[in-house]
Parts: sequence; C-alpha cells; structure tokens
Amino acid sequence: ETGVTQTPRHLVMGMTNKKSLKCEQHLGHNAMYWYKQSAKKPLELMFVYSLEERVENNSVPSRFSPECPNSSHLFLHLHTLQPEDSALYLCASSQDRRGGNYEQFFGPGTRLTVL
Amino acid sequence: AQKVTQAQTEISVVEKEDVTLDCVYETRDTTYYLFWYKQPPSGELVFLIRRNSFDEQNEISGRYSWNFQKSTSSFNFTITASQVVDSAVYFCALSDANDYKLSFGAGTTVTVRA
Repeated sequence: ETGVTQTPRHLVMGMTNKKSLKCEQHLGHNAMYWYKQSAKKPLELMFVYSLEERVENNSVPSRFSPECPNSSHLFLHLHTLQPEDSALYLCASSQDRRGGNYEQFFGPGTRLTVL
Repeated sequence: AQKVTQAQTEISVVEKEDVTLDCVYETRDTTYYLFWYKQPPSGELVFLIRRNSFDEQNEISGRYSWNFQKSTSSFNFTITASQVVDSAVYFCALSDANDYKLSFGAGTTVTVRA
C-alpha cells in the first residue's frame, strides 16, 4: 500500500449504531488530520494529531471521537450520529503539523450515510 | 482571519480549450503558503502545487500553470489544452507558516466535454 488509505470506502449506518473509520498513512509522516466534506460546503477540519497527540479539536460534537494509537494510524469512532453528519470524511497526513511548510496528502475518503 | 474565495462555482469547456480558475485569498500574515488540489470523482484530493508568499514566480508544469500575484492577492490556475481527464473539482487553499490549518476555498467544478 502506498500513500494514505481509508477504510471503509462507503458506510451506511443508523443513528443508534457505533462504527469506526480507519486511516493509515505509509508516508512516514508525523501529523494526521480528519476533515469533513459536506455537499456545497468547504472542507472542514475536524481533528489534528501530531506525534500521536491531539493538537486540535475544531468544535466537533462529542459523537465523533478520534483515536491515534501511533503515527501511522488514525481512527474516527462514530456513535449516535445524525442524518446531517452524512458526508465524505477525508483523512490526510503531512510531514509536520505546522502544515504551512508541508503539503497534506489525502486519502480517498469514506462516504458516510446516516439513516 | 484567513479566507479563500473561488468565485467560479462551475466551468464547462470543450476539450482542448484553455480554462483558468480564479483564487483570491485574505490573510494578515506576511509568510503564508498557497496550494491547489484536484478532487476527481473518486474523491481523493490530489496535491498539485505549493507556493510560498515570497516566491512570486509563475510556475508551469506540463499543461498546468499558476499565476501568483501578491498585489491582487490572487493565485490563479490555468489548464492549457484541457482534456476529459481534467474534469474534477479544484480547490485553492491557504495556510500560514506556523499553523497546520489549511483554509480551503469552496472549489470550482471543471467539466471538460469531448
């Protein structure tokens, strides 16, 4: 595997379900990100991890819970979601969390539908 | 606060036409970075270019070229001789030198018809 991978690619869940999104980067980066992309809205940064430490929680509801067990893996645990949470969830990684000097590389995303 | 504006929502062209995507940004920082990303229908954002605020040289990469003008706070992107494979959503983004946050524009959807 190369680059940034995400699983699953598609997920349909009910509002009472619990599920997790997985992201893995094979680039040796030390910063990882979760973004939400909703229809007709700009990409929204949700969480940032640098060296496995959460450095940003961008006012995200607690029904989204991130986990970064090591610098290569990032999870987004989902529970009690709402239909408006349906979106494309993108994972990204970069060389350094001060991303200005380093481009972020994105995974293919997980298309989430909440019924 | 940082802000990126991509005024063009959608652009449709016929193959081999040139297409220019506009990007206007706002920042109070003197050191910042500008990016362009391409998002094809598959969903993955593909990095195209990074430009720092001190380098105003235009850049060309194959059929792609970028025009950075600090005086007008613009970082426009031109695809020359467009191809069907160029059909995608293109995002302009901005970050400052000491932050991890990328501020994205709303994106421009480019459709190239055969």
